[in-house]
Amino acid sequence: GDSVTQMEGPVTLSEEAFLTINCTYTATGYPSLFWYVQYPGEGLQLLLKATKADDKGSNKGFEATYRKETTSFHLEKGSVQVSDSAVYFCALSDRAGGATNKLIFGTGTLLAVQP
Amino acid sequence: EADIYQTPRYLVIGTGKKITLECSQTMGHDKMYWYQQDPGMELHLIHYSYGVNSTEKGDLSSESTVSRIRTEHFPLTLESARPSHTSQYLCASSEGDWGGNTEAFFGQGTRLTVV
Repeated sequence: GDSVTQMEGPVTLSEEAFLTINCTYTATGYPSLFWYVQYPGEGLQLLLKATKADDKGSNKGFEATYRKETTSFHLEKGSVQVSDSAVYFCALSDRAGGATNKLIFGTGTLLAVQP
Repeated sequence: EADIYQTPRYLVIGTGKKITLECSQTMGHDKMYWYQQDPGMELHLIHYSYGVNSTEKGDLSSESTVSRIRTEHFPLTLESARPSHTSQYLCASSEGDWGGNTEAFFGQGTRLTVV
């Protein structure tokens, strides 16, 4: 079945460091890919998405490129801030057969940014 | 800001009690979902609905039940709470398919503790 694998955390960085959170997926169809963020005590918010191969999603300085050849969707940010501390979830929605279109989440990666 | 609300935010209840977790959205979305988030952060889909009078079980078996009598309301009920039900429950809604160009919105969650 479809699945998402993302790097385990926690990831601890100093402010202004470069961030990469790896995400790879397995899907039988043609998935859309997402990154969601969960701040402490909150629900999930969509951070960015890409709906087809080679698309780049970007938002708030974060970006991720849909790489079909490596089945990856790694999240990057050039300079993290303390306010970026949160849990980040990679997710996919497989449109093949399209009936249900449920979101499948990775296990989440906790990011802690220190001043 | 997302117009999807969950109540209560926190609930501590004794074993054997019946509880209902409320979820309401004011966006007119047809699709609504319940996720269970375990302490390790992983999200599991337990119920979903594609519209009024439509409910389906998700990927993770759950003793909870749901109903969808009105578009805006998607409550989750546990007839007899047990300590194994202790978790965070997240409600979500979307206008269209997850894989399309529509955004999914999450509530802030209900943290349930059964003692």
